[in-house]
Amino acid sequence: DSGVTQTPKHLITATGQRVTLRCSPRSGDLSVYWYQQSLDQGLQFLIQYYNGEERAKGNILERFSAQQFPDLHSELNLSSLELGDSALYFCASSPIRDSHTGELFFGEGSRLTVL
Amino acid sequence: AQKITQTQPGMFVQEKEAVTLDCTYDTSDPSYGLFWYKQPSSGEMIFLIYQGSYDQQNATEGRYSLNFQKARKSANLVISASQLGDSAMYFCAMREGYRAGTASKLTFGTGTRLQVTL
Repeated sequence: DSGVTQTPKHLITATGQRVTLRCSPRSGDLSVYWYQQSLDQGLQFLIQYYNGEERAKGNILERFSAQQFPDLHSELNLSSLELGDSALYFCASSPIRDSHTGELFFGEGSRLTVL
Repeated sequence: AQKITQTQPGMFVQEKEAVTLDCTYDTSDPSYGLFWYKQPSSGEMIFLIYQGSYDQQNATEGRYSLNFQKARKSANLVISASQLGDSAMYFCAMREGYRAGTASKLTFGTGTRLQVTL
């Protein structure tokens, strides 16, 4: 158990709909990352938040948005869903310590299926 | 250009044998970190091993070791004494521009699917 919690674990929805994925980072971790993994693909970085502020942005579509709240949990909003948005969405967190190597601790992912 | 390249889409290894999974990387930053993650069929991402660009020795963690060749920009994962439970996808990843007290994203390769056979 990495300590990162993602909900829901599975989600099936229709094209054109909107969904929200939720992530609670490990206790004390200020930084949250969102990744997308399409079928048999590597992980594509979407966005990073640090203590409520956007820190880095990857190939995140304009239909997608995210935020990190004061309690450090994060939400990824996906709207106007298309079939190609079907994927496993990972949230990860990392601590900020001088001794830390920088590895990310991943949640179990939210599997989104768009029909 | 690909920052992380894993050229082996799939590998087979017999139980109890050693296997090497290849990873090459591309960066101009002198400070970086290299990671390997395992993704079993259940889907979670499990951190295996880390190598810093300034580390003098190759990293080891139990049956996992990282063959770090800086001049060749390669960071191959070696799994010794393979077990059936090692069957999974393996991803190489890199963090560029590490500064103590900061956090930055990892860039992942496309992965290698390892199948351990009897």
